[in-house]
Amino acid sequence: AQSVTQLDSQVPVFEEAPVELRCNYSSSVSVYLFWYVQYPNQGLQLLLKYLSGSTLVESINGFEAEFNKSQTSFHLRKPSVHISDTAEYFCAVTTMDSSYKLIFGSGTRLLVRP
Amino acid sequence: DAGVIQSPRHEVTEMGQEVTLRCKPISGHDYLFWYRQTMMRGLELLIYFNNNVPIDDSGMPEDRFSAKMPNASFSTLKIQPSEPRDSAVYFCASTMLGELFFGEGSRLTVL
Repeated sequence: AQSVTQLDSQVPVFEEAPVELRCNYSSSVSVYLFWYVQYPNQGLQLLLKYLSGSTLVESINGFEAEFNKSQTSFHLRKPSVHISDTAEYFCAVTTMDSSYKLIFGSGTRLLVRP
Repeated sequence: DAGVIQSPRHEVTEMGQEVTLRCKPISGHDYLFWYRQTMMRGLELLIYFNNNVPIDDSGMPEDRFSAKMPNASFSTLKIQPSEPRDSAVYFCASTMLGELFFGEGSRLTVL
């Protein structure tokens, strides 16, 4: 079975500072990895995903994540955050034979301060 | 496309009452998932369907919970009887090629 660990429940950061949200996974087979973002009172939206190929994946709004198989990690980074990035971020994992069933981490609340 | 549509957005009910949550997936998506989100337990997968057939309901907490998908464009999650510990946000999501699209959720409060 797969599992996802997000060690940081909340990450406060000042605007324009860099940020890293950590995600580690556990699986005995090859995985697909995702980061979803949830704004208040909304559903989850896909931010970026790793399926295969390049281990560095990017989103349209400046976030990136790197798949590190040896460290079983998929940390999310942004070099300069905005107030509007304040949200809950969820890391998720699935496998090819799991019928797209996503297992989510507990989430990390990114709080960007002016 | 309008995305995944859930109703109601908010539901307040009393313990013991029946609750029915509804979901309309994105047209053409053949997988549908029901998740529950609480502060204590995070996002939990309750059940998912493929081509209207329930595949895995191991996350359904109790027999009080049931889910159906009578056709490709509609699913329901029913709780009967409801209890205060069922209070949560219930999300429906659908997919065709792996990226899950979520509805805005149904916030349930059981008094």
